[in-house]
Amino acid sequence: DAGVTQSPTHLIKTRGQHVTLRCSPISGHKSVSWYQQVLGQGPQFIFQYYEKEERGRGNFPDRFSARQFPNYSSELNVNALLLGDSALYLCASSSRPTTNEKLFFGSGTQLSVL
Amino acid sequence: DQQVKQNSPSLSVQEGRISILNCDYTNSMFDYFLWYKKYPAEGPTFLISISSIKDKNEDGRFTVFLNKSAKHLSLHIVPSQPGDSAVYFCAASPGYGGSQGNLIFGKGTKLSVKP
Repeated sequence: DAGVTQSPTHLIKTRGQHVTLRCSPISGHKSVSWYQQVLGQGPQFIFQYYEKEERGRGNFPDRFSARQFPNYSSELNVNALLLGDSALYLCASSSRPTTNEKLFFGSGTQLSVL
Repeated sequence: DQQVKQNSPSLSVQEGRISILNCDYTNSMFDYFLWYKKYPAEGPTFLISISSIKDKNEDGRFTVFLNKSAKHLSLHIVPSQPGDSAVYFCAASPGYGGSQGNLIFGKGTKLSVKP
């Protein structure tokens, strides 16, 4: 079975641009979460979606938005990119958004903002 | 302010010996703790977890200990193998009706196991 897949794997943008990152969860998983990992830090929670509804939002500005589609795939959008948005963006899926469900992470999208 | 702290950025251990990775947390509302392992160019992979109602959980070579009064948990790997060399993240679940989708991670500890 395929794991969590993310695209693209690498991306270079300039300040002020917009970016869309994509994630396909493991088949059968209905919950998708997004995390940002800045170099030298642990992953930081951005959003969680379950059954196409937002279930949680981390401490990120409104420039960050996300959505989940009927097939449970998800997009993370970032507007007006800043240099500080350069990071590894991780998507994770689970079958349900409950505490004892394991999160399965994708390999991430490495975003560089110049 | 960091709610989950891993104060050792790196740890080097000889193959066959015990590796002990430590993690401290500040929020007493955390009710579920997890360890993830991350290799370069890969996403984190789940290793082991523990509920706040327990003080120990074992899975093969990996054991997690939780000391709620000290707000401290540790991961023991015995015996350590070169393939265990990776970055280990401690994570906590907020517990306020939240879910494991919303985890708070430490900064990670890079473990190097030398042959």
